[in-house]
Amino acid sequence: DAGVIQSPRHEVTEMGQEVTLRCKPISGHNSLFWYRQTMMRGLELLIYFNNNVPIDDSGMPEDRFSAKMPNASFSTLKIQPSEPRDSAVYFCASSFEASGRRFFGPGTRLTVL
Amino acid sequence: GDSVTQMEGPVTLSEEAFLTINCTYTATGYPSLFWYVQYPGEGLQLLLKATKADDKGSNKGFEATYRKETTSFHLEKGSVQVSDSAVYFCALVTGGGNKLTFGTGTQLKVEL
Repeated sequence: DAGVIQSPRHEVTEMGQEVTLRCKPISGHNSLFWYRQTMMRGLELLIYFNNNVPIDDSGMPEDRFSAKMPNASFSTLKIQPSEPRDSAVYFCASSFEASGRRFFGPGTRLTVL
Repeated sequence: GDSVTQMEGPVTLSEEAFLTINCTYTATGYPSLFWYVQYPGEGLQLLLKATKADDKGSNKGFEATYRKETTSFHLEKGSVQVSDSAVYFCALVTGGGNKLTFGTGTQLKVEL
């Protein structure tokens, strides 16, 4: 079975540019999570969706960040405009509702110059 | 709110040494407890879990026992290998199971 798929795996961009990260959850999972990992702050939950509906976006750092889940098999995390402090590894994860177990994707390493 | 506290790393051990990574938690209600592992360049993977007091989770030689009286879930392995080098995250979930709270992670380095 394919796991959680993320693209791109690496992204290098310049400050001010728009960045879009993509995620395909495991088929049949109905919860999807976006995390950010940095050395300074560790692993942070940005937002999670249940049945394609955003449930908790309190972790989204500011209005420059937005996330969508137009259907059960696809989600995007967009940063516009990007800033150097957004440099991090962004993970997408999915799970069955209320199971607690997250299946993580390989992550997207974002570098904003 | 819920929180997880892990010992700071990095923890550096020689191969075949005994490993303990401490984890304590604060939670409302009765949480389920997890250890996740992150190998270099990869996403997190579930290592083991325990869903109620006195349960022992185990996998790949790692063990952790859910201790309600001390609110702890320490990770142990009797003999580590170089391939165990990774970052280990303790985590808990309460209520409906969609809000997983992670600790800050503990990096383990195992040397020959």
